[in-house]
Amino acid sequence: GDSVTQMEGPVTLSEEAFLTINCTYTATGYPSLFWYVQYPGEGLQLLLKATKADDKGSNKGFEATYRKETTSFHLEKGSVQVSDSAVYFCALSGQAAGNKLTFGGGTRVLVKP
Amino acid sequence: GAVVSQHPSRVICKSGTSVKIECRSLDFQATTMFWYRQFPKQSLMLMATSNEGSKATYEQGVEKDKFLINHASLTLSTLTVTSAHPEDSSFYICSARGAPGLAGTGELFFGEGSRLTVL
Repeated sequence: GDSVTQMEGPVTLSEEAFLTINCTYTATGYPSLFWYVQYPGEGLQLLLKATKADDKGSNKGFEATYRKETTSFHLEKGSVQVSDSAVYFCALSGQAAGNKLTFGGGTRVLVKP
Repeated sequence: GAVVSQHPSRVICKSGTSVKIECRSLDFQATTMFWYRQFPKQSLMLMATSNEGSKATYEQGVEKDKFLINHASLTLSTLTVTSAHPEDSSFYICSARGAPGLAGTGELFFGEGSRLTVL
């Protein structure tokens, strides 16, 4: 079945540091890929998405590129802020699974001033 | 953007009682709603999928008699945890998907979550 693997946290960074969260997936066909963010005390919010190979999703300074050849969708941000402290979830939606979302384990990011 | 609201956000109950959690889509009609359970420091586990007017489809290992789901209208789905026990304590999250052409052409929107504590 479909699965998503992302790096375990917590990831602790200083403000303005570069952030990378690795995400790889296993799925049949051509799934859509997503990054969701969960700020403390809030529900999940869609951060960005990509629906086909080589697409780049971007939002709020975050980027991720759909790499079919490496089955990856790594999240990056060039200069993080304290307000980026949250839990980040990589997810996929595959046709084989009826377009249900399959989530990775989540990566907690803590940005210190 | 589209908004999904859950109520209550926190609930504490005694073991053996039943608890109902509501999930509402506030500005769009949700043809499909999903219920997830999130354990501490872990990912979301899909419990069931509910379509308006039909029975929910439960994921393997989820007790349908324990977790009753009702999707009575296009804007409301409820999850009832029956005869709750301490091991049912968790964070329950719903998400809603609008019909194609609405709310982001089928994009999922998540509620804020409901934290259940069973004493």
